[in-house]
Amino acid sequence: AQTVTQSQPEMSVQEAETVTLSCTYDTSESDYYLFWYKQPPSRQMILVIRQEAYKQQNATENRFSVNFQKAAKSFSLKISDSQLGDAAMYFCAYGSGGGADGLTFGKGTHLIIQP
Amino acid sequence: DGGITQSPKYLFRKEGQNVTLSCEQNLNHDAMYWYRQDPGQGLRLIYYSQIVNDFQKGDIAEGYSVSREKKESFPLTVTSAQKNPTAFYLCASSKGVATNEKLFFGSGTQLSVL
Repeated sequence: AQTVTQSQPEMSVQEAETVTLSCTYDTSESDYYLFWYKQPPSRQMILVIRQEAYKQQNATENRFSVNFQKAAKSFSLKISDSQLGDAAMYFCAYGSGGGADGLTFGKGTHLIIQP
Repeated sequence: DGGITQSPKYLFRKEGQNVTLSCEQNLNHDAMYWYRQDPGQGLRLIYYSQIVNDFQKGDIAEGYSVSREKKESFPLTVTSAQKNPTAFYLCASSKGVATNEKLFFGSGTQLSVL
């Protein structure tokens, strides 16, 4: 079974600064997807960024980028120019490429933005 | 607007009672999922369904049941066998069945025990 580990229960960053959230995963599969989801206080789950394991290029979405290290099974999220609206729980998730059997989530990192 | 609708937003269960959480999607997605979220925890998979009239147990299916009689609907019943049902329940869907594409989530149901 796959596991996803987020080792930082809480992170704090000054507004406009850059912060990196860590995620590691364990799998024996070669075909898979990795995701970062954001859950603000409203508790709505919002997809931040998605990475296909077969792509070497790191995914980027505006101020959000990932550092995907396949050999190390590491998938960190970098948030640049942090904004107050970035404050939320961030969940790293793993999805097998072999079928729509659901994602495996980490326990989350609570991101605090200091004004 | 296309999306996933969960109802009710809040639900209270008396001891020994079964309760059903509704999940409807109009995205024409094939796969649907139910997740449970406890405080300080990530999401854990309860059940999922890739096609109508078929569903599979997830990691924590005990005490829950589902049905998938229509493509757009995937209700979750929390039975009296679930001894610790207080949690936030999230329904999700995804377009295809061949791979784990991104999930679209509903706004959730908070279930509490009276």
